Amino acid sequence: EAQVTQNPRYLITVTGKKLTVTCSQNMNHEYMSWYRQDPGLGLRQIYYSMNVEVTDKGDVPEGYKVSRKEKRNFPLILESPSPNQTSLYFCASRLMLRGWSYNEQFFGPGTRLTVL
Amino acid sequence: AQTVTQSQPEMSVQEAETVTLSCTYDTSESDYYLFWYKQPPSRQMILVIRQEAYKQQNATENRFSVNFQKAAKSFSLKISDSQLGDAAMYFCAYRSADFGNEKLTFGTGTRLTIIP
Repeated sequence: EAQVTQNPRYLITVTGKKLTVTCSQNMNHEYMSWYRQDPGLGLRQIYYSMNVEVTDKGDVPEGYKVSRKEKRNFPLILESPSPNQTSLYFCASRLMLRGWSYNEQFFGPGTRLTVL
Repeated sequence: AQTVTQSQPEMSVQEAETVTLSCTYDTSESDYYLFWYKQPPSRQMILVIRQEAYKQQNATENRFSVNFQKAAKSFSLKISDSQLGDAAMYFCAYRSADFGNEKLTFGTGTRLTIIP
């Protein structure tokens, strides 16, 4: 089954304790992205990657890191989490094919992160 | 930068009735895509309908249809014969048609309640 998986689905942690949220897709998609969802703000892009070893900042990258060592994986790293990073996080992926930009992004199930 | 505005934080509709959710956007691009996503309590992001800006014909998917007014930069979602399963948060989103410009820009969402 074609899907985007995220782990963990729920996480409660404390300020300053490094954590990683994993994202994996089995569709051979080039493009992967992280969004955070906050009440009243919708979803905002944190980081994205166009392919292996190619990453770039989105609209709200402060406090986050990413890596893209393999095509299927795109982990989100919080080196020193703070309470303002409490949010719902989504990973998404899409096949990039020139001349065929109509296809949708596939979203993971979301990770609910609470930083105390 | 593109912006997407959903001015109705909450809407409610009687079961079997019709409801329209509003969305406006701002862009200087001439070619782009617009989407409506549904987020039920499970938090999964589900694509409801999409519209290509160069198409004048409004998209339709079963009970869901859009009213796309390019000149007015308006993209409303009409849900006919509302069902209890339609209760969810609905997000309007924009994406450029430029190859490589993959970011989805979301509105702040409209929470739809279905009254039995």
